[in-house]
Amino acid sequence: DVKVTQSSRYLVKRTGEKVFLECVQDMDHENMFWYRQDPGLGLRLIYFSYDVKMKEKGDIPEGYSVSREKKERFSLILESASTNQTSMYLCASSLPRQGRTDTQYFGPGTRLTVL
Amino acid sequence: KNEVEQSPQNLTAQEGEFITINCSYSVGISALHWLQQHPGGGIVSLFMLSSGKKKHGRLIATINIQEKHSSLHITASHPRDSAVYICAVASNFGNEKLTFGTGTRLTIIP
Repeated sequence: DVKVTQSSRYLVKRTGEKVFLECVQDMDHENMFWYRQDPGLGLRLIYFSYDVKMKEKGDIPEGYSVSREKKERFSLILESASTNQTSMYLCASSLPRQGRTDTQYFGPGTRLTVL
Repeated sequence: KNEVEQSPQNLTAQEGEFITINCSYSVGISALHWLQQHPGGGIVSLFMLSSGKKKHGRLIATINIQEKHSSLHITASHPRDSAVYICAVASNFGNEKLTFGTGTRLTIIP
């Protein structure tokens, strides 16, 4: 079974802090994704990586950056956390299918609160 | 208008009832996904389909590409089916990204 783990289930940070959210998958998947989920808005893609050191902006990249130095690990960075970044953050991974979609496997999520 | 619309937003039913959740989309797609999210956050992929119908246990997913519509059915519903069901589509522009609906919250009462 694919396992996607996230570094924290719950996180509380202060405005202006730098925040790191880590995601690790154990199935050698090329694709990794970071989403945020807010009530009434559904999941929205922040960033996507299709290979080590490769990244692509999603729909809402502002205020975020990412790092993928190893295939199994994809980090989301909030350079200076703000209250509007309070949300549930979900990581996912998938195999590539020649540029087409494949099943995405999700981590348990990190509920981030920025005070 | 959102690219992916689900209905209903909330659904409460008695145990044993037949459940239908609908998903309509406005773009050309290469595939449609149905996902399940239990309280606590974890999301599990139920189906990925690009045509016809798929069945897994008591769950059935159908898609009509011409009408840009998909349905998820649950037969003999059970309280453990209580969850949020999310529809997501992959565009036919050949990338890996999904666009998600806002979900249907299903509650099954014993």
